[in-house]
Amino acid sequence: EPEVTQTPSHQVTQMGQEVILRCVPISNHLYFYWYRQILGQKVEFLVSFYNNEISEKSEIFDDQFSVERPDGSNFTLKIRSTKLEDSAMYFCASSAPGYEQYFGPGTRLTVT
Amino acid sequence: AQKITQTQPGMFVQEKEAVTLDCTYDTSDPSYGLFWYKQPSSGEMIFLIYQGSYDQQNATEGRYSLNFQKARKSANLVISASQLGDSAMYFCAMRILVSGNTPLVFGKGTRLSVIA
Repeated sequence: EPEVTQTPSHQVTQMGQEVILRCVPISNHLYFYWYRQILGQKVEFLVSFYNNEISEKSEIFDDQFSVERPDGSNFTLKIRSTKLEDSAMYFCASSAPGYEQYFGPGTRLTVT
Repeated sequence: AQKITQTQPGMFVQEKEAVTLDCTYDTSDPSYGLFWYKQPSSGEMIFLIYQGSYDQQNATEGRYSLNFQKARKSANLVISASQLGDSAMYFCAMRILVSGNTPLVFGKGTRLSVIA
């Protein structure tokens, strides 16, 4: 069964460093998303992406964040200068039009 | 804006018993979808069940069923014959159904513990 994959599973970085989180969505899906979950809290939407551009973003998704689909398979989330409060689980998801979103296993980001 | 409320931070259930996890929602849009996800301790988000606002019947998927009461704006998840492996966080979520795909809005979750 096709699935969303994410790398790395765990990333530790120092405050102020740039990180890139990678995702490979399900191959025939057209819509891609990033969500985050701070430990013990609910899952929050960051950004959605369709047709090579951002279709919607939340207040959390400020200028420190960017997304890219550099080739036909990968979907990346970049945080330019990480802060302690960026520590969270980051989930990538993908969907076909009108269908449920399938989540990847997540990347746990720890900023020290 | 949409809102999901899960009022039960934690629930306990005896193995083989049924359990209901509560979820209420708020939206002014008539066309929406309701979802339940399971998050085990390993952290991944597993899709369980979906209910559309125009669906006439309650959704069922194996041991999971969704008790959809539109007038009360509730979408409770019922797990029948609980198993130890059902111990996890459960999140209710919704999104507006428009052309394209809108993001999911999640509740705070309910931690279910199944007791042997």
